Amino acid sequence: AQRVTQPEKLLSVFKGAPVELKCNYSYSGSPELFWYVQYSRQRLQLLLRHISRESIKGFTADLNKGETSFHLKKPFAQEEDSAMYYCALSGSARQLTFGSGTQLTVLP
Amino acid sequence: DTEVTQTPKHLVMGMTNKKSLKCEQHMGHRAMYWYKQKAKKPPELMFVYSYEKLSINESVPSRFSPECPNSSLLNLHLHALQPEDSALYLCASSRPSGVGVQETQYFGPGTRLLVL
Repeated sequence: AQRVTQPEKLLSVFKGAPVELKCNYSYSGSPELFWYVQYSRQRLQLLLRHISRESIKGFTADLNKGETSFHLKKPFAQEEDSAMYYCALSGSARQLTFGSGTQLTVLP
Repeated sequence: DTEVTQTPKHLVMGMTNKKSLKCEQHMGHRAMYWYKQKAKKPPELMFVYSYEKLSINESVPSRFSPECPNSSLLNLHLHALQPEDSALYLCASSRPSGVGVQETQYFGPGTRLLVL
């Protein structure tokens, strides 16, 4: 079975502060991990995926297989980063399992 | 065209009605998905079509009936729904992928369904 845990339902930080959204997963094989973001009144969209190893909008995430984590980080949060963030795992082809999501609010 | 479109945006139906949700993409994707998303919850996978064939059905009640008439279209036929089926229904698509590889899924804006 595959499972994704996002322990923080809500997270608030001040503008310019670092932000880290936690994601832990459970899967016996080699997973593919993703971060999706849903801005208010917009569709769900991919933020980044671990195999790309790229930085999008200043966000990065590193897959740590030892700790089974894929935390999302940004050194300086911006107000426009306020959104719902979902960590997702794909173990078998074409089947995404989403975490429960973290609502990030960046305060002015 | 790099978007997944869904119609209608909103739908209100009674428990005895029959309605259909439509999803369309013109990105050449050969995998298409239906998800159900309740308020403040993550999307839950319902169905997966791969090359127009149903490959995954996540134990969804038979009052939901998917259909993939061609590689660009995906329908979800609704019949005799219950109030608890009220939710946002999301469609997604992705490129064909190799075994064990998950291609990025592109989501539509969803259809917000209310069952009275």
